[in-house]
Amino acid sequence: DTAVSQTPKYLVTQMGNDKSIKCEQNLGHDTMYWYKQDSKKFLKIMFSYNNKELIINETVPNRFSPKSPDKAHLNLHINSLELGDSAVYFCASSQDQGSGYTFGSGTRLTVV
Amino acid sequence: QQQVKQSPQSLIVQKGGISIINCAYENTAFDYFPWYQQFPGKGPALLIAIRPDVSEKKEGRFTISFNKSAKQFSLHIMDSQPGDSATYFCAARGSSYKLIFGSGTRLLVRP
Repeated sequence: DTAVSQTPKYLVTQMGNDKSIKCEQNLGHDTMYWYKQDSKKFLKIMFSYNNKELIINETVPNRFSPKSPDKAHLNLHINSLELGDSAVYFCASSQDQGSGYTFGSGTRLTVV
Repeated sequence: QQQVKQSPQSLIVQKGGISIINCAYENTAFDYFPWYQQFPGKGPALLIAIRPDVSEKKEGRFTISFNKSAKQFSLHIMDSQPGDSATYFCAARGSSYKLIFGSGTRLLVRP
């Protein structure tokens, strides 16, 4: 049974489109995160939610909007996609805000 | 101050050898230092972690050495195996409990 699951695994879309990535965790964790991994494998935090409340909002274009309907779900909506948004996006969760993260398997977004 | 610097970028080790990956940080407020292992097409997985009041932690073939005064920590993989071939990330927990990752080390263990 997958602990942190993301859908879709692959997403290919054209510039200017709007897309969403969904994330669900069944670990009972209270904090969820979105990370972006670029082509050089660098992992950078984008957002963090604790019990549905936004905790971390890094310098991310406001085309990116996270939504947390409950503490087990954290979705990422991206408007007006650009070529530079191409990356692998990872969802993660943790208990107690920052102890060992559990990552999903990632969503590879390709903007063409 | 929020950066974690990791080296080397890539590492090739013979089977049975010792793999050593180093990280350095500036922010003395960091309070938790995990290492993650990532295989191609997978998400990073927590390998081992240490807190700054401990100088060494060992779990099986994996050991973290932590030097608080030098603001450095390292991962040692003893008796490296081909199955250890992966990308390794160090990280540090900072303000708002966010994890800041190093740039990653691609390890290849030759049979």
